[in-house]
Amino acid sequence: AQSVAQPEDQVNVAEGNPLTVKCTYSVSGNPYLFWYVQYPNRGLQFLLKYITGDNLVKGSYGFEAEFNKSQTSFHLKKPSALVSDSALYFCAVRDANSGAGSYQLTFGKGTKLSVIP
Amino acid sequence: DTEVTQTPKHLVMGMTNKKSLKCEQHMGHRAMYWYKQKAKKPPELMFVYSYEKLSINESVPSRFSPECPNSSLLNLHLHALQPEDSALYLCASSQLGELYGYTFGSGTRLTVV
Repeated sequence: AQSVAQPEDQVNVAEGNPLTVKCTYSVSGNPYLFWYVQYPNRGLQFLLKYITGDNLVKGSYGFEAEFNKSQTSFHLKKPSALVSDSALYFCAVRDANSGAGSYQLTFGKGTKLSVIP
Repeated sequence: DTEVTQTPKHLVMGMTNKKSLKCEQHMGHRAMYWYKQKAKKPPELMFVYSYEKLSINESVPSRFSPECPNSSLLNLHLHALQPEDSALYLCASSQLGELYGYTFGSGTRLTVV
């Protein structure tokens, strides 16, 4: 079974400072990895994905993630945090094809990011 | 149209009620999903539909009954729910055979009283 782990329940960072939200993965084949963000009482919004290619993936709202195969990590980063980045962040891994081309996403437990003014 | 629309946004129902949640997308996605999310927890997969056919049922109790009447619409019929079923119910859709992430709706906040 494929899984992701987010070791931090909460990350606090001062506005303007760089932020990192950690994610490690365990897969049996090629990893397909995703980051989503969730604001209170809202659905999940797609930030970025790693399928293949460059290890540094750029996504929405200035976020990027670094894929590291040797460390089985896919950490989310942003050079300068904004107060509006405060939200719940989920790392996810795509499971094997569930049939007829659909697939399951398995989510980490989530990391609450708080950006302090 | 790049959205998944869920209605209603909020629902309060009694344990003897019958209600339905609705999800709609017009992006041509042929896979649609129902997830359940408790507060401060990750979403948990309930059902997967591919080409309007149920492909995965993650051992969900029969008081939850999904329906996919066409390629744009996904329903979740609710009957005789329990208070512990109170949660945010998320619908998502995706392309088939392509390595894209899901597009999620904003969810229905369900409270069972």
